[in-house]
Amino acid sequence: QVQLKESGPGLVQPSQTLSLTCTVAGFSLTSYNVHWVRQPPGKGLEWMGVIWNTGGTRYNSALKSRLSISKDTSKSQVFLKMNSLQTEDTATYYCARDSQLGGFDYWGQGVMVTVSS
Amino acid sequence: DIQMTQSPASLSASLGETVTIECRASEDIYNGLAWYQQKPGKSPQLLIYNANSLHTGVPSRFSGSGSGTQYSLKINSLQSEDVASYFCQQYYDYPTFGAGTKLELK
Repeated sequence: QVQLKESGPGLVQPSQTLSLTCTVAGFSLTSYNVHWVRQPPGKGLEWMGVIWNTGGTRYNSALKSRLSISKDTSKSQVFLKMNSLQTEDTATYYCARDSQLGGFDYWGQGVMVTVSS
Repeated sequence: DIQMTQSPASLSASLGETVTIECRASEDIYNGLAWYQQKPGKSPQLLIYNANSLHTGVPSRFSGSGSGTQYSLKINSLQSEDVASYFCQQYYDYPTFGAGTKLELK
């Protein structure tokens, strides 16, 4: 059964670094790409970046200077790190599996992150 | 960056009605388009991929069409469980989403 689950702090102070973990089950990170997507409260979806099954990465150009995505295949975990957080980074952060056919077929439940002092 | 313009922003329809949501891409995306449904407090769910392919388990009242820069999602015979927000996403280039359509019952 395919599952993804995000974990991380619910509150981050401005200018600090956000670290999130996406733990997956039911598939291998060596076979599927995993994306990070975020959604500010009441707003739309923003693609943040992807880690390919090969380990390569690609980032949204608007976030590229602050964002890093990595993974530990043996632990079935994908990591997101984003520095210099500001209040506008307050959002629900999702990890999602690339379906290989088109689109994202499985999503985590999301983790709400608030940036506030 | 490929921009996705989605319309309408909100939509009110009656049970049993047919509704259509549209997305326009800023350039040709060669059918690299998906549609998602998101209910309040939940994660998005894939409905359609490659513009017109129905994802596994999605009811057949949902359908997608289009080509080039113009795409649409149609919901036939609207059901109460279809009340949700809907987003388009292009993945021809690095993924970008439309702003969403909030569908409510009249």
